[in-house]
Amino acid sequence: ETGVTQSPTHLIKTRGQQVTLRCSSQSGHNTVSWYQQALGQGPQFIFQYYREEENGRGNFPPRFSGLQFPNYSSELNVNALELDDSALYLCASNDRGPLNTEAFFGQGTRLTVV
Amino acid sequence: AQKVTQAQTEISVVEKEDVTLDCVYETRDTTYYLFWYKQPPSGELVFLIRRNSFDEQNEISGRYSWNFQKSTSSFNFTITASQVVDSAVYFCALRRGLTGTASKLTFGTGTRLQVTL
Repeated sequence: ETGVTQSPTHLIKTRGQQVTLRCSSQSGHNTVSWYQQALGQGPQFIFQYYREEENGRGNFPPRFSGLQFPNYSSELNVNALELDDSALYLCASNDRGPLNTEAFFGQGTRLTVV
Repeated sequence: AQKVTQAQTEISVVEKEDVTLDCVYETRDTTYYLFWYKQPPSGELVFLIRRNSFDEQNEISGRYSWNFQKSTSSFNFTITASQVVDSAVYFCALRRGLTGTASKLTFGTGTRLQVTL
């Protein structure tokens, strides 16, 4: 079991609503990344935060936004939810220093938009 | 651009059979990292191995082994004497090795392995 925890584990929202997903990084990791995994697909990179600043973004619209806090925990916010936003959202943390460790993932938040 | 291809969508084997999961990647970088992750039904991606582009030595860890061949841009994963607990979706992933760049992972579409008794 990794030290990355995500909340909530499941969520149901209505189209047009806003949602906030949370992630607590593994101790000592300064980088957090968010991925969207649609059913039957591989995870797709949304964005990454390094020391509280966005450091890379995938092909996702601006209504996907995030934050990283001084303790390196993170939030993913999605505004104006669409049906296609239904997916498993995975958070991963790693140490992007000299060790440049591999990413460790949380158990994910399964979001259903109805 | 980075790309990972896992051509095998689903594989079914009987317990104790050996099985190889294929992974082919594309990158223009000379420095990069390759990964394998396991995703059980619970959803969490479990890290299995990381290999950097300068290390082509094959690796064995218990029943797991990995064959990295830069000449064919492949990083295949073999499970020897498969067990029911190996049933999961397996993902191959690629990461750029340049410092200062986002350490994002580019994943393949995954291979679902079903091991039956």
